[in-house]
Amino acid sequence: SYVLTQPPSVSVAPGKTARITCGGNNIGSKSVHWYRQTAGRAPVLVMFYDGDRPSGIPERFSGSNSGNTATLTISRVEAGDEADYYCQVWDSSSDHRVFGTGTKVTVL
Amino acid sequence: EVQLLESGGGLVQPGGSLRLSCAASGFTFSSYAMNWVRQAPGKGLEWVSGLSGSGGTTYYADSVKGRFTISRDNSKKTMYLQMNSLRVEDTAVYYCAKVGGNSGYDHLDYWGQGTLVTVSS
Repeated sequence: SYVLTQPPSVSVAPGKTARITCGGNNIGSKSVHWYRQTAGRAPVLVMFYDGDRPSGIPERFSGSNSGNTATLTISRVEAGDEADYYCQVWDSSSDHRVFGTGTKVTVL
Repeated sequence: EVQLLESGGGLVQPGGSLRLSCAASGFTFSSYAMNWVRQAPGKGLEWVSGLSGSGGTTYYADSVKGRFTISRDNSKKTMYLQMNSLRVEDTAVYYCAKVGGNSGYDHLDYWGQGTLVTVSS
C-alpha cells in the first residue's frame, strides 16, 4: 500500500518560515492535499491540488510537489499556526485515500 | 453554508454493531462524493470509506472491508456507516467529510465535528 511519510514535528520561531514535507514514491505524479487540525477540532483543508489555497487560507500558505516530496510552506509563521498538519493523496492502484503520518508544528 | 452533522456514536462491546449518520446541508448533496475518516485517540487521521454521489461506487480501507458498509440516502441528504463486528481497534472519532471536486478522488473540503465510537467490554 502507498505510504506517506511526514516528520513528527517541526519547530519554528514567530515570523520565520516552516516547511512541512510529505514523502511518497513518485508523489509528484499525484495531487496532494493538506489539512490542519487543532486539538479537539475537525481537520480543515488548507491546500489542495498541490498548491491551491481554499478561500480564507492566508497567502502565507503555499505548496509544492515534485519527485518524491511534497512540501507545505508557511511563511511569516504566527502563533495561531500551531497545529497538526496532514498530507493526503489518492492512491489509484488501490483505490484508497491515504493520509500522511502527520506533523506537529510548534511555534517557539 | 455547508454543514455536516454526525450522530450515532457511543459505547459498544467488541463484536457489536453501530450505525453512524451524517446529515448534510448547504449544498447539493447528491452531486458530491462523501467520505468517512477516523482518528483513534492520540493518533493520526485514517481514511475509512467513501462513496460516489449516486452511491453506486464505494471504497473501503482494508482494515474495515467486509465489516463496514457505507451508504447514502440522497432524498434525506444523509450518509451512513454501518459498522459490524466491531473491534477494540475501531475506537476512534469518526468524521464525515465532503469531497470538494467532481471526482471521488478529490480533496475533502468540509468536515463534520465528529462522533466518538468506543469499543470496549
